[in-house]
Amino acid sequence: GEDVEQSLFLSVREGDSSVINCTYTDSSSTYLYWYKQEPGAGLQLLTYIFSNMDMKQDQRLTVLLNKKDKHLSLRIADTQTGDSAIYFCAERYSTDKLIFGTGTRLQVFP
Amino acid sequence: GAVVSQHPSWVICKSGTSVKIECRSLDFQATTMFWYRQFPKQSLMLMATSNEGSKATYEQGVEKDKFLINHASLTLSTLTVTSAHPEDSSFYICSARVASGARVYEQYFGPGTRLTVT
Repeated sequence: GEDVEQSLFLSVREGDSSVINCTYTDSSSTYLYWYKQEPGAGLQLLTYIFSNMDMKQDQRLTVLLNKKDKHLSLRIADTQTGDSAIYFCAERYSTDKLIFGTGTRLQVFP
Repeated sequence: GAVVSQHPSWVICKSGTSVKIECRSLDFQATTMFWYRQFPKQSLMLMATSNEGSKATYEQGVEKDKFLINHASLTLSTLTVTSAHPEDSSFYICSARVASGARVYEQYFGPGTRLTVT
C-alpha cells in the first residue's frame, strides 16, 4: 500500500535554511509534489519533481529525490517568517490520485 | 492562472440537514475534480474523484449516498453532505485538474470549506 511519512514539526531561525523530509513507499510514483498550506487555507503547489530527476531548483526552493531510498526533501533557502506554514509532500499514485504525507509544520522565528 | 474557488468558505448547519459545497475552476476547464477531507492537524484524505458528465468514483469507506457529488460542467463540481451529523464536521477541500495542455496532470486546490455541524 501507499504510505507517505513526514516529520511533524520543524523550527528554524529567520534567514537560515529549512529542510523538510519525506519518505514514500510506492516506487512506481511518477511525480512527487510539495504543497504549502497556510492556516485555514487550501493548498498551494510549490514545486514538483519527476521521478527520473535527482534534483530540481526553483528560486529559494531545492527538491532532492533519492529514488533508491524513496526519500524526498525540500530545502528552503533564506527562510522567512512568511514561510511559516504546513508543508505536505505528495506522490502521484496513479494518473489521477495523489497520496499526501502527514504534513510538517514549519515555524520560523526571528 | 489556474484558480479554483469554493463556496461557501465556512458553513454551520444543524444535524439532519444537508449542505452543498461548490467548487469552481475560474480560468480553466477541468474534466476532473477531486474532493478531499481534512481533519484538524491531519493530512488530506481523498474522498472521491469527480469526472464531468459521469458518476463520481468514491474511495473505500466513503458513503456515496451521504456525500453526493455532481460534476455538471467543465468548471463546476458540487459536494452535498446529506443528513449531516457532528462527525461530518471537517475541512473540505476540492482540487481541479487541467483538462489539456502541458500541465494536464497538475491539481490546483481550492481554499477549502469549513463545515461545522451542530
